[in-house]
Amino acid sequence: GQQLNQSPQSMFIQEGEDVSMNCTSSSIFNTWLWYKQDPGEGPVLLIALYKAGELTSNGRLTAQFGITRKDSFLNISASIPSDVGIYFCAGQLDNAGNMLTFGGGTRLMVKP
Amino acid sequence: KAGVTQTPRYLIKTRGQQVTLSCSPISGHRSVSWYQQTPGQGLQFLFEYFSETQRNKGNFPGRFSGRQFSNSRSEMNVSTLELGDSALYLCASSPVRTTSTGELFFGEGSRLTVL
Repeated sequence: GQQLNQSPQSMFIQEGEDVSMNCTSSSIFNTWLWYKQDPGEGPVLLIALYKAGELTSNGRLTAQFGITRKDSFLNISASIPSDVGIYFCAGQLDNAGNMLTFGGGTRLMVKP
Repeated sequence: KAGVTQTPRYLIKTRGQQVTLSCSPISGHRSVSWYQQTPGQGLQFLFEYFSETQRNKGNFPGRFSGRQFSNSRSEMNVSTLELGDSALYLCASSPVRTTSTGELFFGEGSRLTVL
């Protein structure tokens, strides 16, 4: 089946720094999504991307859908302590309903 | 608007038993998906239900089953539990749209421990 390789697996950064994480796949996806999961909670959708090359922002978050449709990245600018959590990329195939393939996650830790 | 509600939040079972987990989607959402989350395998899709019909199924054995009721509430069942079934089971709902967008609203999950 499809595999999403997400990197880095973890990051420990200083408050105020920018963060970048990415996801690559051997398969083409029609939609890329980024979710964040806090401890004891379910994942929450941050950004959804529907078109190759699309660049979308949500506050301090910016994500891009790669031109090849096999990759995506997420940037967080000026990190703050509440950015701590696990970030997941997810890919959706056309005609697959809400069956998503998730990356392994990037655990972000922010030092105040 | 109330979020996705999953019950029970925590449960402990022994090998060979069976378990039923329940999910109430956000009001008006007719699609319900189930995911299994483990440290080793991450988030894996189990199945999706829409209008009481299973729309997609992941690569899990037949011991994993589910259903959806006319009010969109969903249950999943795991029979003959194995140690490896210990996981966080997440339910997610999605609003009705012409095409599925992958925009899921997750519950807090049911954490199953199999001893």
